[in-house]
Amino acid sequence: NAGVMQNPRHLVRRRGQEARLRCSPMKGHSHVYWYRQLPEEGLKFMVYLQKENIIDESGMPKERFSAEFPKEGPSILRIQQVVRGDSAAYFCASSPRGQPNEKLFFGSGTQLSVL
Amino acid sequence: DQQVKQNSPSLSVQEGRISILNCDYTNSMFDYFLWYKKYPAEGPTFLISISSIKDKNEDGRFTVFLNKSAKHLSLHIVPSQPGDSAVYFCAAHIIQSTDKLIFGTGTRLQVFP
Repeated sequence: NAGVMQNPRHLVRRRGQEARLRCSPMKGHSHVYWYRQLPEEGLKFMVYLQKENIIDESGMPKERFSAEFPKEGPSILRIQQVVRGDSAAYFCASSPRGQPNEKLFFGSGTQLSVL
Repeated sequence: DQQVKQNSPSLSVQEGRISILNCDYTNSMFDYFLWYKKYPAEGPTFLISISSIKDKNEDGRFTVFLNKSAKHLSLHIVPSQPGDSAVYFCAAHIIQSTDKLIFGTGTRLQVFP
């Protein structure tokens, strides 16, 4: 009965490198959400994906950020050419059907540190 | 434009007393509200929710009150326990939209013996 699994827990990158964050939703869940928490702030919505589809990416920065949720395998949040301002905790959440009022189950997050 | 606001960054309460965490929102389209609890180094976990057609929802020691005219909700925890010490996030969304939650900035609750 594994929950939402995120890896790595901690990721250190130098400016200009790429960061890949992985999220495996709960078993039976086909809807994935990515949120970002900057220091001293709340969680900010980034993107909502269903298998092989991006449903809502209104919270994603226009450049350098991309997300996917392939038919097989985990959801990936990819940040190219990272900058110090990308340092944050990135949380993934999943839900079974993406229905309104379904509660989201969150992973433990990936703490990204950009040197 | 912070649509969900938690104006108290921290709250300290004695064990056994009531904890009241407050949340204000600006978007009148929000029709579903949730509270999440977060321990350090963990993801948020769902605590309790309320639909805009209600003004109160209770689950054990936790009660959420919604005042739509004031665009205000509150979470009451009674009696407070040391294990309740965590960061509490208020969140809201619009049922007709995609299931995107808008979170507040959180209130850190400390319950001391």
